[in-house]
Amino acid sequence: DADVTQTPRNRITKTGKRIMLECSQTKGHDRMYWYRQDPGLGLRLIYYSFDVKDINKGEISDGYSVSRQAQAKFSLSLESAIPNQTALYFCATSDPGRTPQYFGPGTRLTVL
Amino acid sequence: AQSVTQLDSQVPVFEEAPVELRCNYSSSVSVYLFWYVQYPNQGLQLLLKYLSGSTLVKGINGFEAEFNKSQTSFHLRKPSVHMSDAAEYFCAVSLNTDKLIFGTGTRLQVFP
Repeated sequence: DADVTQTPRNRITKTGKRIMLECSQTKGHDRMYWYRQDPGLGLRLIYYSFDVKDINKGEISDGYSVSRQAQAKFSLSLESAIPNQTALYFCATSDPGRTPQYFGPGTRLTVL
Repeated sequence: AQSVTQLDSQVPVFEEAPVELRCNYSSSVSVYLFWYVQYPNQGLQLLLKYLSGSTLVKGINGFEAEFNKSQTSFHLRKPSVHMSDAAEYFCAVSLNTDKLIFGTGTRLQVFP
């Protein structure tokens, strides 16, 4: 089984709809992250959480919210989706210290 | 603030030829450096990392990178590429392995 899983893997929705992307991990890591990938822009950090009670905004948090339901689960919500939120979304995990981040397979979101 | 520049958006190379993917970073303090690879329709996978010590870092799949502090570079090299190396490669920098800052990526195109 994969260490970091994301659901759904693909989603097409309409402008104005509420969307939730889910991430689960079995690595036992405390820290979880949501990134967005756009062609030519690389990956940009949306939100990150160092533990269940510690949630922080990243570089591009506007229009997004998150929920850390448990150590292993971190959800990203788009309250009212808009077309420029069409992108590939990645969840990642890490432990404090010298551990690089481990990435999920991504969710491809299209907002029409 | 830290930043990462990947100078080439695409690098074409023939199979079995050597390749270098360039990465330069900007930071006023010491940083950790990473290279990730993204194969088509997959998440990111760590290729190698520089945390401290030897400036020549060896990674998976025959890749290596050299940290050059004076030139603020961390170029990725492979002496002989395979068709299976075709992917997008991301350089990233971090102060403490959290909150990675990514470059815009370089697509490696391998031709027979």
